[in-house]
Amino acid sequence: NAGVTQTPKFRILKIGQSMTLQCTQDMNHNYMYWYRQDPGMGLKLIYYSVGAGITDKGEVPNGYNVSRSTTEDFPLRLELAAPSQTSVYFCASSGQGQIYGYTFGSGTRLTVV
Amino acid sequence: DAKTTQPTSMDCAEGRAANLPCNHSTISGNEYVYWYRQIHSQGPQYIIHGLKNNETNEMASLIITEDRKSSTLILPHATLRDTAVYYCIVRAPYNQGGKLIFGQGTELSVKP
Repeated sequence: NAGVTQTPKFRILKIGQSMTLQCTQDMNHNYMYWYRQDPGMGLKLIYYSVGAGITDKGEVPNGYNVSRSTTEDFPLRLELAAPSQTSVYFCASSGQGQIYGYTFGSGTRLTVV
Repeated sequence: DAKTTQPTSMDCAEGRAANLPCNHSTISGNEYVYWYRQIHSQGPQYIIHGLKNNETNEMASLIITEDRKSSTLILPHATLRDTAVYYCIVRAPYNQGGKLIFGQGTELSVKP
């Protein structure tokens, strides 16, 4: 009964480094989402996917890339880390149909120095 | 995506009902209203959602006006553990990705 699992929980990156934030769900959900949350602010949608092989941009996609090769996994890639990407990142998934809410992961706290 | 407007903050006495309002005047006929809450820096927690009828579950009640332009989340007996940021969101239809676009939310403080 894992739900949505995000790794790592914490990470410090230097400017210009790259990393991948991992997100895995075991609920066979088609829909998956990546959000970022800056201190004191609401969540902003980065990218989302409605199924394997299908991704689309959200509100703040610049500086990020995603892929969805399987139903379970939806990794988020930062290619050239910048201080502006310091944030808490949340992954979420949802079944198809309005009876389903989102299930969120516990987040990854990223600091870029 | 339909926008929502919520008060920035509210206080509530422990044991009393907390009534959190939300305006969503541009909502479309097939868009649902969802409520989530976020405690500290945890992932948001689903509370309730509805289309046009009032809804109730073990956590809360959702009252949607007849014209669907506003709604109220009711926590019937607020406890200190209900202190959180509450988000009212109009969810995009599934043919538009079923996205949840978060606003700033209402910071609810439940006081002893």
